[in-house]
Amino acid sequence: DGGITQSPKYLFRKEGQNVTLSCEQNLNHDAMYWYRQDPGQGLRLIYYSQIVNDFQKGDIAEGYSVSREKKESFPLTVTSAQKNPTAFYLCASKRTGSTYGYTFGSGTRLTVV
Amino acid sequence: EDKVVQSPLSLVVHEGDTVTLNCSYEVTNFRSLLWYKQEKKAPTFLFMLTSSGIEKKSGRLSSILDKKELFSILNITATQTGDSAVYLCAVGNINTGTASKLTFGTGTRLQVTL
Repeated sequence: DGGITQSPKYLFRKEGQNVTLSCEQNLNHDAMYWYRQDPGQGLRLIYYSQIVNDFQKGDIAEGYSVSREKKESFPLTVTSAQKNPTAFYLCASKRTGSTYGYTFGSGTRLTVV
Repeated sequence: EDKVVQSPLSLVVHEGDTVTLNCSYEVTNFRSLLWYKQEKKAPTFLFMLTSSGIEKKSGRLSSILDKKELFSILNITATQTGDSAVYLCAVGNINTGTASKLTFGTGTRLQVTL
């Protein structure tokens, strides 16, 4: 079955460490997105990518980095520069030109200890 | 800056009640408004609205968009405990040369009690 897989589901990180969240899709979607969700704040866009080897900053890109070397994969690295990384991270994808909304992954909950 | 505001932030109702969730927006180059239901993890798609005044309906859920007033509502009739979730409103824009992206509201947390 087609879908988006995020891993791991739960992640703990010590302060000062970089950590990479995985997002893989087999939907043949062109566009992929990373959102962060905090309690009471809805979803905020971190980065998005329309095609391979191209990506754009969203509203809260500081302290994050991404790569898009393959169409299927859009990993997100949370760097030590991100001051408040504890959050729920959602990856999504969409076929370019489609008027329909995103397909979401199940999310990764990152906790800094 | 695109903006989506949902109200109320949270709501507790009894099973069988009817609820109305609100979403207002300010966005350049409006393309569509979407409603999602988020129970624990991944939001699931409910409706997409692009035309004003046309009601979308799915079972006990329905939604309508007013593009003049920049407003949408989501109605749930005869609520059940399984309707308990966070309901997210999102607005999509058309950005020439880039992937269209969604701007989300903060969500309305609905709790349906017995």
